[in-house]
Amino acid sequence: GAGVSQSPSNKVTEKGKDVELRCDPISGHTALYWYRQSLGQGLEFLIYFQGNSAPDKSGLPSDRFSAERTGGSVSTLTIQRTQQEDSAVYLCASSLEYSQRLFFGSGTQLSVL
Amino acid sequence: GIQVEQSPPDLILQEGANSTLRCNFSDSVNNLQWFHQNPWGQLINLFYIPSGTKQNGRLSATTVATERYSLLYISSSQTTDSGVYFCAVEQGTYKYIFGTGTRLKVLA
Repeated sequence: GAGVSQSPSNKVTEKGKDVELRCDPISGHTALYWYRQSLGQGLEFLIYFQGNSAPDKSGLPSDRFSAERTGGSVSTLTIQRTQQEDSAVYLCASSLEYSQRLFFGSGTQLSVL
Repeated sequence: GIQVEQSPPDLILQEGANSTLRCNFSDSVNNLQWFHQNPWGQLINLFYIPSGTKQNGRLSATTVATERYSLLYISSSQTTDSGVYFCAVEQGTYKYIFGTGTRLKVLA
């Protein structure tokens, strides 16, 4: 596609429910990143994929968070048993290869009530 | 881990003014990028600049990796330049670490 696409753009859920956030990177980009941005704050690294592999999962805040990438393209970030502190904007970025120029999607605003 | 500090934290300019934003990092880095987050939250990549100087229209950036800092220059500022500017650094560990940000407001 022309840019990084994320869906949904907004998600409101109840505490304890599971949510799935989707990212479609730019076509041909092998590297994919997930970040989280709380209100008025900077960006917190969550996970990085090179192809379908995630060499570093240390940024995931807890074992309730997981992510996968299939076919070297679409990625899904799953949050189980959501908590209010999970409320944030979840941002996805892709780059042609590792460590090259990052291009961000417009994010998913997650609100946990 | 590496610390990435940006200054100033907040900046208010009159339209047409020039400004310099600074990014200091506490350890050596392999790569550095500058981003603009507009008021609607969209992050735009401004520069990929691990070293040296680059220019793009009214914006330019300089990274002095040996002295662990980077500068972003905005000339003849416009109201559309408002938003938050972030630098992000990478140390060969895949992840880009984002700085604390500079919030810029340009007044008409």
